[in-house]
Amino acid sequence: DAKTTQPTSMDCAEGRAANLPCNHSTISGNEYVYWYRQIHSQGPQYIIHGLKNNETNEMASLIITEDRKSSTLILPHATLRDTAVYYCIVRALNAGNNRKLIWGLGTSLAVNP
Amino acid sequence: NAGVTQTPKFQVLKTGQSMTLQCAQDMNHEYMSWYRQDPGMGLRLIHYSVGAGITDQGEVPNGYNVSRSTTEDFPLRLLSAAPSQTSVYFCASSYIQGARANYGYTFGSGTRLTVV
Repeated sequence: DAKTTQPTSMDCAEGRAANLPCNHSTISGNEYVYWYRQIHSQGPQYIIHGLKNNETNEMASLIITEDRKSSTLILPHATLRDTAVYYCIVRALNAGNNRKLIWGLGTSLAVNP
Repeated sequence: NAGVTQTPKFQVLKTGQSMTLQCAQDMNHEYMSWYRQDPGMGLRLIHYSVGAGITDQGEVPNGYNVSRSTTEDFPLRLLSAAPSQTSVYFCASSYIQGARANYGYTFGSGTRLTVV
């Protein structure tokens, strides 16, 4: 699975949109982009994933560039409870028995009042 | 509520002691795995399983054993605890088969282990 690059930390004002970037320049055609977040001391939580089209769910939106070398996770109206570490991961479709994801250090997002 | 249950939440061991970290899921997930998380490092895979009776090593398997006798349970055994195994341990599970294979992992709430 390809590696990803994320900024170490970001700040966002409460109520504003938080835009978290991720670079995955070596992504393969069969690899999805996944986003998770980890609120302090808790287990990581799945947020959203996509292949090449933009995706939206009740938690966030995922924008993937046309060349698929980067993506942005958007939290449209950040709240204090969105303060967490956000991880961007790429994972092959139908990976079969190979489930060895590479977890980096993610982006630590601080939502400020 | 459906999910991944880890026990215990906290544990202190003396060097050389053995123990088992429990992980159970009620979602009929084929895939289960154990990660450890240390300060300044990303999650690292210890062992994983793609079904009952099938296990394989991850990135950091030394000092740990696993077995998968049922779909629901995936215990992690520390054979002889060492201070280097002080960490937070997370269990995660997911589907492998069909369209649901692209869903994300479901993680447990973690076990915080200190070896003194």
